[in-house]
Amino acid sequence: DAGVIQSPRHEVTEMGQEVTLRCKPISGHDYLFWYRQTMMRGLELLIYFNNNVPIDDSGMPEDRFSAKMPNASFSTLKIQPSEPRDSAVYFCASSRTDYTEAFFGQGTRLTVV
Amino acid sequence: AQSVTQLGSHVSVSEGALVLLRCNYSSSVPPYLFWYVQYPNQGLQLLLKYTTGATLVKGINGFEAEFKKSETSFHLTKPSAHMSDAAEYFCAVSDSGGSQGNLIFGKGTKLSVKP
Repeated sequence: DAGVIQSPRHEVTEMGQEVTLRCKPISGHDYLFWYRQTMMRGLELLIYFNNNVPIDDSGMPEDRFSAKMPNASFSTLKIQPSEPRDSAVYFCASSRTDYTEAFFGQGTRLTVV
Repeated sequence: AQSVTQLGSHVSVSEGALVLLRCNYSSSVPPYLFWYVQYPNQGLQLLLKYTTGATLVKGINGFEAEFKKSETSFHLTKPSAHMSDAAEYFCAVSDSGGSQGNLIFGKGTKLSVKP
């Protein structure tokens, strides 16, 4: 298996623009997690899905952030409108169950100028 | 509320020396504890985890960690550092039976290995 695939690897956008980050989990994994990593706040869980259904989105910072999982092989994290403080590395991870190892993608480095 | 404190944001050791990365946690219930490693420009990879039972846990790449309830600690060690161990290491805690939807991460410790 190719592992968790995220795209793009790098994104530079201007403040106010819409940004969409994409994730393809490992086939057969029922759980998908979106994390954000910054120097100030470290690694934070934003939202996670089970069988394409959002289970906990309490980590989503604002209404500007939204996440969807239309099918078992694809998820998106959207920021609209983007702000400079959204600059971070965003990771997607997937796991077979909630209690087994989560495998992380390589991340998307987002820079909002 | 649960929390994780990693002492030392940056640790430097010589190749062949002992690696000791410190982690203290706070949890209101018996915790599940994890160590992850992040190589440059990569995602996190699980090194080891403690759930119940034996307090000394062995992981990949020669790392191990010991759960000490009295000290609320879960320090990561490796007897002999290798250049390939240079990476950032994260300690994490879950008090929801190990649920990854409730993992709280420490700020990380960057390990440098000198030749």
